[in-house]
Amino acid sequence: AQSVTQLGSHVSVSEGALVLLRCNYSSSVPPYLFWYVQYPNQGLQLLLKYTSAATLVKGINGFEAEFKKSETSFHLTKPSAHMSDAAEYFCAVSYNFNKFYFGSGTKLNVKP
Amino acid sequence: DVKVTQSSRYLVKRTGEKVFLECVQDMDHENMFWYRQDPGLGLRLIYFSYDVKMKEKGDIPEGYSVSREKKERFSLILESASTNQTSMYLCASKLLANYGYTFGSGTRLTVV
Repeated sequence: AQSVTQLGSHVSVSEGALVLLRCNYSSSVPPYLFWYVQYPNQGLQLLLKYTSAATLVKGINGFEAEFKKSETSFHLTKPSAHMSDAAEYFCAVSYNFNKFYFGSGTKLNVKP
Repeated sequence: DVKVTQSSRYLVKRTGEKVFLECVQDMDHENMFWYRQDPGLGLRLIYFSYDVKMKEKGDIPEGYSVSREKKERFSLILESASTNQTSMYLCASKLLANYGYTFGSGTRLTVV
């Protein structure tokens, strides 16, 4: 079965520090990859997506992610955390644009 | 902007009740989805539909059914609610050829 692993259910960074949220997928076939963000009491919002074009993908709010086939990874980064980045982040994979498989989520806490 | 509207933000129902969760999208999307979100488990697909009157089981369909009589509306039905169905329910839609979901704000269901 396809799966997505997000390492670290909670990540805490200081404001201004680098944000790194990890995502690995298990498949020999490169999937389409997505990062979503969920703010409290809201639905999920698409941050960025990889669909076999450039391996470094830029998204909204200064986030970016790099697809590394050799490592089966799609980690999310942001050079400088802002208080407004505090939210839960979900990595997702899809192979046919229908079913998406989501990771268990990483809650990002940003300390002042 | 595409809008996916879930009729209730919060619901409290009794064990054994029949529960209807409604979802409406306003952008003529073919595909619609129902997920449940539980802490530490991420999002799990319950059912999805790729056309009117069409439905497919997701990963956890037991105890649920769905209805799609019109393209814009996708209903999730709990035939006889149980306490283990207490969860956040998220509806999403997407175009057939598009890559990402648009999510509703979610319905937090508590079964007592």
